[in-house]
Order: sequence, then structure tokens, then C-alpha cells
Amino acid sequence: DTAVSQTPKYLVTQMGNDKSIKCEQNLGHDTMYWYKQDSKKFLKIMFSYNNKELIINETVPNRFSPKSPDKAHLNLHINSLELGDSAVYFCASSQEPGTIVGYTFGSGTRLTVV
Amino acid sequence: GQSLEQPSEVTAVEGAIVQINCTYQTSGFYGLSWYQQHDGGAPTFLSYNALDGLEETGRFSSFLSRSDSYGYLLLQELQMKDSASYFCAFNAGNNRKLIWGLGTSLAVNP
Repeated sequence: DTAVSQTPKYLVTQMGNDKSIKCEQNLGHDTMYWYKQDSKKFLKIMFSYNNKELIINETVPNRFSPKSPDKAHLNLHINSLELGDSAVYFCASSQEPGTIVGYTFGSGTRLTVV
Repeated sequence: GQSLEQPSEVTAVEGAIVQINCTYQTSGFYGLSWYQQHDGGAPTFLSYNALDGLEETGRFSSFLSRSDSYGYLLLQELQMKDSASYFCAFNAGNNRKLIWGLGTSLAVNP
């Protein structure tokens, strides 16, 4: 019973392509996030949704577009992929935004743009 | 502004005790969290401190001093499997997100 599941786990694609990553949580949490982790391991928040409402939209190129059809799902679509987009993308969820009580992360999607 | 500092690397031996420090700067503060991440894995939540003092969870403890803007994660009876990156993160209260440190890579040697 995976709490936060994201697919695919690995994604290798060419520059210029468009790709999507999907995330689902079965914890009943109200808040979901997308994080990008680069090779230096810095966890950078990209987006956050609380009950389907976008509440955090960091300085991210508008080639990245999140979508939350319901509070259990959060998807990330990336247009015109660039080499610099290569990273691990983590979905996470929590009971409320920015809580210190614990985020639950998905296993990550390793995106490689060639 | 808001920032976190933690050491980039720490090395210890099996069976030892190690302390990973975290100092922060912020005008608002609502608590500190700790996460563990193994290579190739996802961050997993370890512990949090909303108030000053020590919180113990098995071999791991976390401490917070709000007056010193300082916290630490204490790992006892180190095992090889504790080799991982450890992140501290705090909630500044005004922006509905955690502010993350850059992580501390812990290497446990035999």
C-alpha cells in the first residue's frame, strides 16, 4: 500500500520533447508538492497545492505546468524539455501546508534529458 | 531573509555517536524537522521539534533551542545503514512551505 506513488520512476527523453509525471497519494492529505532535486541534492520546491488550489508557485519556467484534478492527485507536465531539466522530481504530501510534522515523499522520477 | 546552515559532510565509525547541527535565520519560526535520504531514495521524515528541548525516537534524537536559533540531530549506536544525507527544514510561518537546508552527508565507516 504505497502512500505516495509517482510514475514513471525513470524517464529518458530528448530535448524539445514534452513529458508528464503523475502522482497520487492515499493518505488523505490536503496538500501536495512537487520538488526538484539536482545533482547537488538541493531540494527545491516548485509547486504546492492545497485542496486543489495552487498556493505555491516558485520561480519555475512556465514550461512546467502542474495540475491537480483532486486533492489526491498532482501531475506535472513539462514542455520543450531542456538539458538543465535533468534531475530527480519528487512528489510529496502533507496534512497541511508547510507542516513540520512530516511530509511523505514519493520514490521520485529520475528525468534525464539527452 | 531566511536561511539554514548545516555541515556538508560528517564521518563517523560504527557504534559511535554523531551530532549534525543546524542553525537557522528567520524572523518567524514554527518548528524544525529532520529528514533522512539514502542515495537513490526518497527523503523520509525522522523527527520534529516545535518547542525547545530534546525529542527521542529510538536511536535518533532531535534538539531545538529557539533562543539560539539552533537545533541538532543526534544519532546513537551508529550503523552502516545510517550512511545517508540528513536534511533539516523549518517553517517560517508566513509562506506555507518548509525552508530546507542543503543536507549533511553522513558516512559511517566500519
